[in-house]
Amino acid sequence: EDKVVQSPLSLVVHEGDTVTLNCSYEVTNFRSLLWYKQEKKAPTFLFMLTSSGIEKKSGRLSSILDKKELFSILNITATQTGDSAVYLCAVEAKFDSNYQLIWGAGTKLIIKP
Amino acid sequence: EPEVTQTPSHQVTQMGQEVILRCVPISNHLYFYWYRQILGQKVEFLVSFYNNEISEKSEIFDDQFSVERPDGSNFTLKIRSTKLEDSAMYFCASRGFNQPQHFGDGTRLSIL
Repeated sequence: EDKVVQSPLSLVVHEGDTVTLNCSYEVTNFRSLLWYKQEKKAPTFLFMLTSSGIEKKSGRLSSILDKKELFSILNITATQTGDSAVYLCAVEAKFDSNYQLIWGAGTKLIIKP
Repeated sequence: EPEVTQTPSHQVTQMGQEVILRCVPISNHLYFYWYRQILGQKVEFLVSFYNNEISEKSEIFDDQFSVERPDGSNFTLKIRSTKLEDSAMYFCASRGFNQPQHFGDGTRLSIL
């Protein structure tokens, strides 16, 4: 059965700290891995990773994929209270002629001032 | 920046009633999705839609559910006879070819 596992489930740090969020997967017909940030409403797209070893960066956020070991990490440096959210990892897998997202349970990140 | 929009933001319905949740995907997107998220639980896939037909559906998407793209812009999810366990946040998403999915803000469905 396809699955996506995120760790830790929750994390509390202080402003300015660096955090690393983990996502491992067992998925057949892997196509891509996506990171989303979910605050009160919709998941907001952060990164889409398809190739191993290529870091994607956006400001203080960065992510990398290891397709051999089947995991990805999301790093946030110099955290701010606005980074508090649930961070979702999803793997896009091919089913017949279409692609489907398989979601992790999320990491709830709380940044204390 | 173009957005996926969903209406209503909150829907309260009596058990057994029909509900229609509406979505306007990003205009040049071709692939459309519905997900639900029960409070405190994972996001769950319901259905994907491409080229005016369902391309994939999950076990959750039983005969009580249907989707339609009645015109060039709207994408709707209908639940025929709602149950208490249908209470959840329902998200619509769309994407272009080889692009990530973008989500709407969701409709919170409360079944009484």
